[in-house]
Amino acid sequence: DAKTTQPPSMDCAEGRAANLPCNHSTISGNEYVYWYRQIHSQGPQYIIHGLKNNETNEMASLIITEDRKSSTLILPHATLRDTAVYYCIVLINDYKLSFGAGTTVT
Amino acid sequence: DTAVSQTPKYLVTQMGNDKSIKCEQNLGHDTMYWYKQDSKKFLKIMFSYNNKELIINETVPNRFSPKSPDKAHLNLHINSLELGDSAVYFCASSQMTGNNSPLHFGNGTRLTVT
Repeated sequence: DAKTTQPPSMDCAEGRAANLPCNHSTISGNEYVYWYRQIHSQGPQYIIHGLKNNETNEMASLIITEDRKSSTLILPHATLRDTAVYYCIVLINDYKLSFGAGTTVT
Repeated sequence: DTAVSQTPKYLVTQMGNDKSIKCEQNLGHDTMYWYKQDSKKFLKIMFSYNNKELIINETVPNRFSPKSPDKAHLNLHINSLELGDSAVYFCASSQMTGNNSPLHFGNGTRLTVT
């Protein structure tokens, strides 16, 4: 699976959009980009995923660059409840999903 | 309605004991998983079951034995517990195998071995 690089931490103002970057320069053509988050003392929560096109759901938007080497997770109106560790993962097979250090969003 | 539920939430035990963690999902998913999260918060897959059949065993010591009595349940039994087994264990499920099926996680079981 391709490796990802995320900033270790970010601060966001409540009510503003939070833009979380992720680099995945070694991604291959059939690997999906997934975002999960983990709020303290809870299990990881699925946010969104995509392959090539930008995606939007009730939680967030996912912007994937045309070369697919990076992506941005956008939380449109951040609240205190969005404080969590956010994980960007790319994978070819969901069996071997593993989480690295992620971005701690405060 | 808890989608993926694990019991117990906390488990404190002594070295050498045998313990089990139970997991149930009510999402109608075909695939279930066990993950281990270490003290550095890295989450790694241990096992995966699809329709009660083991499909992934990621170099986990054979002291760990998963058992899936049906599609909705995946239990984890650990023999001869060691200090290094202390971690948070997460159960998860997905609708199907493959890379286009998000995982749904339980809230974890914090195992402390003394």
